[in-house]
Amino acid sequence: DQQVKQNSPSLSVQEGRISILNCDYTNSMFDYFLWYKKYPAEGPTFLISISSIKDKNEDGRFTVFLNKSAKHLSLHIVPSQPGDSAVYFCAASSYSSNTGKLIFGQGTTLQVKP
Amino acid sequence: NAGVTQTPKFRVLKTGQSMTLLCAQDMNHEYMYWYRQDPGMGLRLIHYSVGEGTTAKGEVPDGYNVSRLKKQNFLLGLESAAPSQTSVYFCASSLGVWVDTQYFGPGTRLTVL
Repeated sequence: DQQVKQNSPSLSVQEGRISILNCDYTNSMFDYFLWYKKYPAEGPTFLISISSIKDKNEDGRFTVFLNKSAKHLSLHIVPSQPGDSAVYFCAASSYSSNTGKLIFGQGTTLQVKP
Repeated sequence: NAGVTQTPKFRVLKTGQSMTLLCAQDMNHEYMYWYRQDPGMGLRLIHYSVGEGTTAKGEVPDGYNVSRLKKQNFLLGLESAAPSQTSVYFCASSLGVWVDTQYFGPGTRLTVL
C-alpha cells in the first residue's frame, strides 16, 4: 500500500521553462512534507519542505504547494536549469509519531534540456 | 565535518553469505535510519533508532538486523543474504523528529548473486 505516490516517473522540460512535479498521499496523519533531490551515485539531499498548516512555501526558484483537501502537493521550479536534472522524491512525515520516519514516493526523474 | 559516511560503497555477495554495513555520523545526531532504494519503489525504511541503544522496525525489516551501540554508529546486518536484498542502501541521521535535519549518506550498492 503506497502511502505516497509520484505517478509520473519522468518529466522533460526546456531550460528556462517551469517544471512541475506532483505527489499524492493517502494518510491523513501526515503533517509535514518534503522534497529531496538526488543525483546519480549520491544520497538524497533536502530541497524544500512544507508544514500542513501552510499551503505554500517558497525558496528561491523552488516553490512547494500543498492542497490538503486533495491530499496533493507539487513542486514548481522556475526557471528550470540543466543543473536541476535529477531524481526528485516527495516524502511525508507525521510529527505525532515522534520518530522522524519519512515515507517516500517512487521518485520523478527530471531532465532539463539546454 | 564528514557528515554521514557509509562503508563499504560497493559489495557483491553470494546467496547465504552475511555482511554488515556501517553508517557513521559526526553531527551528534540522536536519530538514525536505514533505507533501501529499489527501481520504481522510492526509498523504504528498513530500521531506525531514536537514540543510542535503541532500535525499531521500519516498513521492510525482514532479513535485516541493526545495532546502535554508539551514538555515532548505526550498523545494518544481513545474516543470510538473498537476491531480493540486491539494492542501494542509504543511511540517514537527524537531530530528532525535525525531519528537515535528516541528512543522507552516499549509499552502498549491494548485489546478491
